[in-house]
This record gives sequence, structure tokens and C-alpha cells, in this order.
Amino acid sequence: DTEVTQTPKHLVMGMTNKKSLKCEQHMGHRAMYWYKQKAKKPPELMFVYSYEKLSINESVPSRFSPECPNSSLLNLHLHALQPEDSALYLCASSLLPSGNTIYFGEGSWLTVV
Amino acid sequence: GIQVEQSPPDLILQEGANSTLRCNFSDSVNNLQWFHQNPWGQLINLFYIPSGTKQNGRLSATTVATERYSLLYISSSQTTDSGVYFCAVERSGSARQLTFGSGTQLTVLP
Repeated sequence: DTEVTQTPKHLVMGMTNKKSLKCEQHMGHRAMYWYKQKAKKPPELMFVYSYEKLSINESVPSRFSPECPNSSLLNLHLHALQPEDSALYLCASSLLPSGNTIYFGEGSWLTVV
Repeated sequence: GIQVEQSPPDLILQEGANSTLRCNFSDSVNNLQWFHQNPWGQLINLFYIPSGTKQNGRLSATTVATERYSLLYISSSQTTDSGVYFCAVERSGSARQLTFGSGTQLTVLP
């Protein structure tokens, strides 16, 4: 089973709303990631968690707040977003250390109105 | 950071044709993956190939790590092969930072 599950698949939120994106995997992976993809662009790394600890934050604005409550779950909390934050948000996971296949979920399409 | 360049940016083929997609990268890597992104946004793993050659049905890939490039071959293309193909690499010594190329948009016509 090489599945990363993301919910919701689609989300529309206002600029004053607070919402969360969720990601789950049961492959025993200890690295989990959030990527952001704008239309017609490649995915860009936002955050990396290793052993449930934040190891990389690619200078992401604080209106995006990641959380890794356990080794299977990864959340991305959203608050006071801007319309330019509308994008496809992809979660991924992999074994540690580096040099292993990274598996992606189907993504959450976010629209900020 | 590491630079990843893919070519061609766009490719239009007739069904049944063969194609080669190229990925050049600027530094040594310990991870190279090819993905197919479908119109719904899902990134599908095609190959994990930091070096060597692999084949999976009509698809095959070769990475020459010493020369810093990888090739993805698609034979007897089908309309379902349409989509964006990404090469992504992880620089040796980096902490699991996968960097994507800009992709090749493939359109297969019936």
C-alpha cells in the first residue's frame, strides 16, 4: 500500500476564515512534506517533518502553520490567507534517511475568495 | 540550490509515436524521480532512478549520474499518457528537499 490520503480534495475559504488541510499515511514513513503548486508551475517545497519534528521551513508565511501530531498524520492550518495563496497543496511522505522514493497524495485544491 | 532543467517544455504526438524526455541537473543527487501529473493534479510515481536503467511496460528511464542527466522514454504513446511529466531530484547531502524541474507538457492526439 503506497497511499497518501489528503482531505478535503477541494476547499473554498474566505480571507478571514480558519481552515485545515489533513494528510495521512500508514506506510511507516517518518518524513512528511507539504508542497504548494500554482497553475502551470512545478510543486515547491513548503515544510519537511522528520520524526514528527519540523526540519525544514522554506520561509513560508506564518499564515500557514504545519502540525505533525503523530507519525501518520500531518496537518496544515490556514488563517488569514490571501487570494494569491489559491493553489494545489500536495502532501507527501517517505522513509528516512534520504535517497528513498517520495510518495505524493492527490492534493487539496484551495481557493481563497 | 540545485538547478533542474527539462526539455522539451511541450510535446505533441500522434498516438502510437515514441518520445524521449530529458532532465539535466546541476549537482550530484541521491534521489531522482519521474512523475506524471494527471489533469486532476495527482502526481503519479513513474520511476525512482538516481542511477541506471529501469523499465515498466511502455515506459523506461535511464539516469547517467556522472553526466548529470536522465531520460524518460515513452513508446507507443496513448492518449492517456497526456499530462505533465516532472523530473525531481534531491541533492546529495540535502535534508530531503526534492526540487522539481519545470516539466514537459505532453499531448497525445488520437
